[in-house]
Amino acid sequence: AQSVTQLGSHVSVSEGALVLLRCNYSSSVPPYLFWYVQYPNQGLQLLLKYTTGATLVKGINGFEAEFKKSETSFHLTKPSAHMSDAAEYFCAVSDREDSSYKLIFGSGTRLLVRP
Amino acid sequence: ETGVTQSPTHLIKTRGQQVTLRCSSQSGHNTVSWYQQALGQGPQFIFQYYREEENGRGNFPPRFSGLQFPNYSSELNVNALELDDSALYLCASSLGLAGNNEQFFGPGTRLTVL
Repeated sequence: AQSVTQLGSHVSVSEGALVLLRCNYSSSVPPYLFWYVQYPNQGLQLLLKYTTGATLVKGINGFEAEFKKSETSFHLTKPSAHMSDAAEYFCAVSDREDSSYKLIFGSGTRLLVRP
Repeated sequence: ETGVTQSPTHLIKTRGQQVTLRCSSQSGHNTVSWYQQALGQGPQFIFQYYREEENGRGNFPPRFSGLQFPNYSSELNVNALELDDSALYLCASSLGLAGNNEQFFGPGTRLTVL
């Protein structure tokens, strides 16, 4: 079965600092990988996804992630944090069972941005 | 284009009761997936509906059931509520069954079981 591990339940950065949120996955097949963001009392919004092709994926709000097969990682980065980036971030892998595709999520990382 | 909507926003029930949660999928989307998100955790897959048929189920007991209607809206029903059913229930819609399809999430229904 596929799984996702997010290292660090909380990450705190200063405004303007680099954001790095870690995600490692396990998959027996080439994975489809996703990063979602969840603001308080809201649903999940897709930041970016990796399917095939270029391993550096750019998303919304200045975020990007790099798929590294050798490290089974898909870390999320942003060069300069903004106060509005404070939220919960979830890494997910698409898992196929018969004809059903479900998302398997990590436990999430809460990003705190200090002024 | 209308996004995914869910109702109600919040719900309080007592143990043993039954609850129905509703989801309207994004226009044109024929696939709906339901997830349970317990406090402090990532969402967990409950089941998926495709063209009105259940198309995959996670590790949830049979008292969790669902429906999808001809307009692709969906319901999640939970019978014999337990305290551990307290969670945020998320509905997500997508077009088709490809694994690289984006799932669009609704705002969720927060269920509290007392």
